[in-house]
Amino acid sequence: NAGVTQTPKFRILKIGQSMTLQCTQDMNHNYMYWYRQDPGMGLKLIYYSVGAGITDKGEVPNGYNVSRSTTEDFPLRLELAAPSQTSVYFCASSTQTGGTEAFFGQGTRLTVV
Amino acid sequence: QKEVEQDPGPLSVPEGAIVSLNCTYSNSAFQYFMWYRQYSRKGPELLMYTYSSGNKEDGRFTAQVDKSSKYISLFIRDSQPSDSATYLCAMTDSNYQLIWGAGTKLIIKP
Repeated sequence: NAGVTQTPKFRILKIGQSMTLQCTQDMNHNYMYWYRQDPGMGLKLIYYSVGAGITDKGEVPNGYNVSRSTTEDFPLRLELAAPSQTSVYFCASSTQTGGTEAFFGQGTRLTVV
Repeated sequence: QKEVEQDPGPLSVPEGAIVSLNCTYSNSAFQYFMWYRQYSRKGPELLMYTYSSGNKEDGRFTAQVDKSSKYISLFIRDSQPSDSATYLCAMTDSNYQLIWGAGTKLIIKP
């Protein structure tokens, strides 16, 4: 059982470049999330989705975009990368929002130089 | 002021000690209270969750919630080196969105 799979694990981007962080889950969860984690700052919600075709902004959406064409996949797109987007990105999924267990991927470490 | 306050540590204790990890919060509408454990270079994983005030025990772990004081705790008995990790508290708001603490780094010394 793979759970939540994120690719790539590491990436270095130059300022202004773009990239897509991939996330796929095999648990048939409706809810999926993208977080970023900065040292000493906890997890900040970037975008979330309650099902295929439905996405919504979280706390820190600027500079990012998402799509949810299938239940399994929830890619995060970075356009025009900036040093402020250097962070560890986590994708997560759950059966419901909030009061149920969220399952996390192993993270993508992104550095923008 | 952050909605959820958590001391980032690090907290270093000897093996076998009782560990107390804490979070305070400001929003009385928070409903579910959770503790996640995150090992280095891994994603967080759910350790315990509770809905009401009081204690909940699971093996060596006890989660405590005091809604009147807006304070939650996680106690670890007979701590082991394998408990060394970052512990994040999380709470759900009235929209069922998770609000996270910054995480406390715990080091158990053999």
